[in-house]
Amino acid sequence: NAGVTQTPKFQVLKTGQSMTLQCAQDMNHEYMSWYRQDPGMGLRLIHYSVGAGITDQGEVPNGYNVSRSTTEDFPLRLLSAAPSQTSVYFCASSTEGSGANVLTFGAGSRLTVL
Amino acid sequence: GQSLEQPSEVTAVEGAIVQINCTYQTSGFYGLSWYQQHDGGAPTFLSYNALDGLEETGRFSSFLSRSDSYGYLLLQELQMKDSASYFCAVRDPSSASKIIFGSGTRLSIRP
Repeated sequence: NAGVTQTPKFQVLKTGQSMTLQCAQDMNHEYMSWYRQDPGMGLRLIHYSVGAGITDQGEVPNGYNVSRSTTEDFPLRLLSAAPSQTSVYFCASSTEGSGANVLTFGAGSRLTVL
Repeated sequence: GQSLEQPSEVTAVEGAIVQINCTYQTSGFYGLSWYQQHDGGAPTFLSYNALDGLEETGRFSSFLSRSDSYGYLLLQELQMKDSASYFCAVRDPSSASKIIFGSGTRLSIRP
């Protein structure tokens, strides 16, 4: 079982460029989400999804788009990268069972915007 | 909205016991979770409390008091490998997929 797979692991962009962070899970989890992590600020929720075709905004959605065309995939798009989007991005998936809703995280994608 | 507060840093000695506190504000409560994250790694799930009281898993225990909107993670017999950041998290009442995290507590362990 691969779990949650994120690509790329590292990326450097110039201001104004666009890119897509890929996320795939093979656990048949219905829930998927994207977080960004900045020093001293913990994990902040960008977008989340409760199933294919359904997405919603989290705490810091501006500058990011998502789509969920399949259960397995949940890509995160940066439309016009800004230095403020320099961060480590984590994708996570979960399923509702026993109430705990345990998140399984990908290894992370480190993005630098120059 | 939901908010969680934790101390930013805690220091402890190897072999000792340390408690990491978390207070939360939420419009609807579905339990408090704890995650561990080592430097350069991804967060991993540690424990979950839905009801008041103590949940024990090996050297780690987690406590919840719903009336006080408060919980803590207790780490016993500290080992150097326990040096990491620890996050508490709650589910937003609007969606089971919307999990909000505290800003994290960095635990440093001295020999």
